[in-house]
Amino acid sequence: SQQGEEDPQALSIQEGENATMNCSYKTSINNLQWYRQNSGRGLVHLILIRSNEREKHSGRLRVTLDTSKKSSSLLITASRAADTASYFCATDASWATTDSWGKLQFGAGTQVVVTP
Amino acid sequence: EAQVTQNPRYLITVTGKKLTVTCSQNMNHEYMSWYRQDPGLGLRQIYYSMNVEVTDKGDVPEGYKVSRKEKRNFPLILESPSPNQTSLYFCASSFRAGGPLGETQYFGPGTRLLVL
Repeated sequence: SQQGEEDPQALSIQEGENATMNCSYKTSINNLQWYRQNSGRGLVHLILIRSNEREKHSGRLRVTLDTSKKSSSLLITASRAADTASYFCATDASWATTDSWGKLQFGAGTQVVVTP
Repeated sequence: EAQVTQNPRYLITVTGKKLTVTCSQNMNHEYMSWYRQDPGLGLRQIYYSMNVEVTDKGDVPEGYKVSRKEKRNFPLILESPSPNQTSLYFCASSFRAGGPLGETQYFGPGTRLLVL
């Protein structure tokens, strides 16, 4: 079953604008990760945030985590055409729940299109 | 170059004809995993392996087999493929299974399978 669910499903913005997408999950987690996928290609890791962290930055990326609301957000600032991709959140609940050992569970993704 | 490789990249086959998709990583990772990606469903885990000779079912294992005889290889076997196994398949690896500190997964380029 999907643990993380992204919102919105699709997002269209212009270059220079910020893009924000959200991820909600159902059970306790150890950490949450965001990945990017360019059309039909393998996923590339962007950022990992642990359950005891609230915010993390990496370049133009900012991730927040609210464990009380079981949600995370990914903000891409000053977007570029090259940011056009699908973005997935993935939750790692290893050890937190008995049937989650070794599992990284992905949501369905947010498709972002950045137009010049 | 550190990478996960998959072969073949594209495969068209017929119902019932056994096939194997190979996966190999050169990073000495303990953990390897197979996912399938279908529109609107994100990535779903098929099988994973915590180490050599240790494999376990993911969320959608029916119709698939795996083996982990060597650390670097983790082939996915479809004994009798059916049309509902038409999908995009990804192999991934990480240094170890997840947990409180989290582990980045490295993805292969994907194998697009069509079962007629």
